[in-house]
Amino acid sequence: DTEVTQTPKHLVMGMTNKKSLKCEQHMGHRAMYWYKQKAKKPPELMFVYSYEKLSINESVPSRFSPECPNSSLLNLHLHALQPEDSALYLCASSQGDSLSSGNTIYFGEGSWLTVV
Amino acid sequence: GDSVTQMEGPVTLSEEAFLTINCTYTATGYPSLFWYVQYPGEGLQLLLKATKADDKGSNKGFEATYRKETTSFHLEKGSVQVSDSAVYFCALSGLPGSNYQLIWGAGTKLIIKP
Repeated sequence: DTEVTQTPKHLVMGMTNKKSLKCEQHMGHRAMYWYKQKAKKPPELMFVYSYEKLSINESVPSRFSPECPNSSLLNLHLHALQPEDSALYLCASSQGDSLSSGNTIYFGEGSWLTVV
Repeated sequence: GDSVTQMEGPVTLSEEAFLTINCTYTATGYPSLFWYVQYPGEGLQLLLKATKADDKGSNKGFEATYRKETTSFHLEKGSVQVSDSAVYFCALSGLPGSNYQLIWGAGTKLIIKP
């Protein structure tokens, strides 16, 4: 079972709205990730949580706010987004505390976000 | 710096044709190598991986061999189907000092015509 579940699958929000993306995994993975993917491009890493602590923030604007309530859940809070933030947002998880020993990142189906 | 280079697409083939998508890399250390596939409107799925030189990853009829001497990880399939139409990404991980980073290729769009 290599399932990462994301909700909602589609989200349309105005530039003054506050919304959240949710992600859940039950594989016992201790690292969880948020990626952003624009059309026809590889995904770009945004945040990494390792053992429920923020480990990497790739200089993401503060209008994106991650949260890791427990080892199975990861949220991405969205506020005052811009139209250029419209993209596919992918959650992922992996075992252990690094990718150095061939650990694999498993992705969810993604949340399609449109900012109007 | 570390990088992954994939052949540019789109690659268009007829059903039952032989597929090769080239992937070469530049990396320090001994990375792990991956192929991910993204079907239209979906997220990324791990297709196969290899963690050391001469390892062969395989899944769903696809294969790729980790060639350290040529720094390559080419994806092959003997007979493609329309359902294989997707974008394929080559990636590497396990670089020194990059605990959580995947280095991605640009992606290759594959179109299979009936």
